[in-house]
Amino acid sequence: EPEVTQTPSHQVTQMGQEVILRCVPISNHLYFYWYRQILGQKVEFLVSFYNNEISEKSEIFDDQFSVERPDGSNFTLKIRSTKLEDSAMYFCASGQESGSPLHFGNGTRLTVT
Amino acid sequence: AQSVSQHNHHVILSEAASLELGCNYSYGGTVNLFWYVQYPGQHLQLLLKYFSGDPLVKGIKGFEAEFIKSKFSFNLRKPSVQWSDTAEYFCAVTLTGANNLFFGTGTRLTVIP
Repeated sequence: EPEVTQTPSHQVTQMGQEVILRCVPISNHLYFYWYRQILGQKVEFLVSFYNNEISEKSEIFDDQFSVERPDGSNFTLKIRSTKLEDSAMYFCASGQESGSPLHFGNGTRLTVT
Repeated sequence: AQSVSQHNHHVILSEAASLELGCNYSYGGTVNLFWYVQYPGQHLQLLLKYFSGDPLVKGIKGFEAEFIKSKFSFNLRKPSVQWSDTAEYFCAVTLTGANNLFFGTGTRLTVIP
């Protein structure tokens, strides 16, 4: 069964540094998402992406965050200047069409020190 | 504001016991409802979904859930749990036609052999 893959599985970075989290969605999916889960808290929506542009974003997704689909297969989340509170598990997901069930990757654990 | 509530944070059961995990949501419109499971060290996987029709939906691994519109609930059930059901269970909701999922805080299920 096709999978969403995320790299790296764990990223440690210093406060103020830029990080890029990478995802390869399922190939025939058209909708792409980033979610995050701070330890002990709920999974939170960050952003959705369709047709090469952001279709929806949450208030968490401020100017420090950006997403890109640079080459038709990868889908990246960039955090420009990381803060301690950005430490979380970041999940990428993809869906075939709007409202369809999402397929999630294994997540990237980001630790900001 | 939209929200999804899972009242049980941690449930501990013996094998063969019956399971019911609660999920309530607060949304004004027509919703699609999901249960996802996250086994230790793995990604979120879809257990079952409700879009329309029969409010009793059956998913994988013997799980089922019942949508009760008047109670804004979508409780997950399994008649007889197994040790391999030990995992975190997330209820999620999306408005029909919308892209982003709203998750509950999750319920950790521990099944004792």
